[in-house]
Amino acid sequence: KQEVTQIPAALSVPEGENLVLNCSFTDSAIYNLQWFRQDPGKGLTSLLLIQSSQREQTSGRLNASLDKSSGRSTLYIAASQPGDSATYLCAVSTSGGGADGLTFGKGTHLIIQP
Amino acid sequence: NAGVTQTPKFQVLKTGQSMTLQCAQDMNHEYMSWYRQDPGMGLRLIHYSVGAGITDQGEVPNGYNVSRSTTEDFPLRLLSAAPSQTSVYFCASSYGGLAGETQYFGPGTRLLVL
Repeated sequence: KQEVTQIPAALSVPEGENLVLNCSFTDSAIYNLQWFRQDPGKGLTSLLLIQSSQREQTSGRLNASLDKSSGRSTLYIAASQPGDSATYLCAVSTSGGGADGLTFGKGTHLIIQP
Repeated sequence: NAGVTQTPKFQVLKTGQSMTLQCAQDMNHEYMSWYRQDPGMGLRLIHYSVGAGITDQGEVPNGYNVSRSTTEDFPLRLLSAAPSQTSVYFCASSYGGLAGETQYFGPGTRLLVL
């Protein structure tokens, strides 16, 4: 059974710092990996999706990398801002037809100090 | 586009009561799914649908029922509520299956079963 682990569980950094969030998964047979953001009491917003054949994706100050063979992904946030404070979730898809859905990590709770 | 909408936002039930959580999307997405989010557990797939008239079970389907009579709507029914079903429920949709498709999530329904 696929398991997704996110480290650290919580992170607090001063505004302006660059930071890295980590995600690891146990079964390398994935279709894709997505990073989501969740604000308190809200739904999930997709940030980046990396196909299994890709190595990285970028959107603005966010860069996500994927090393499928080692079962790892990182989310790099450049020049962090207080508005980046949220919980960041990593999820992998191991079934194209949807039978297994997305397998989620438990998230990294990020606080950016002004 | 309104995206993915869910109603109600919050609901309190007594043990044994039944209710329907509503989910609708206006993006003409074929794939829709329901997840529950519990503290320390991450999100887990309850049921999913790959198109109108087609539904299937996810990881935690017991106590829940779904139907998909139209492309737009995917209601989740609790047949006889139990305290263990206290959770936050999220509906998600995507254009195709999970392979290569960004998942869009609704704002969630918070359910408390007494």
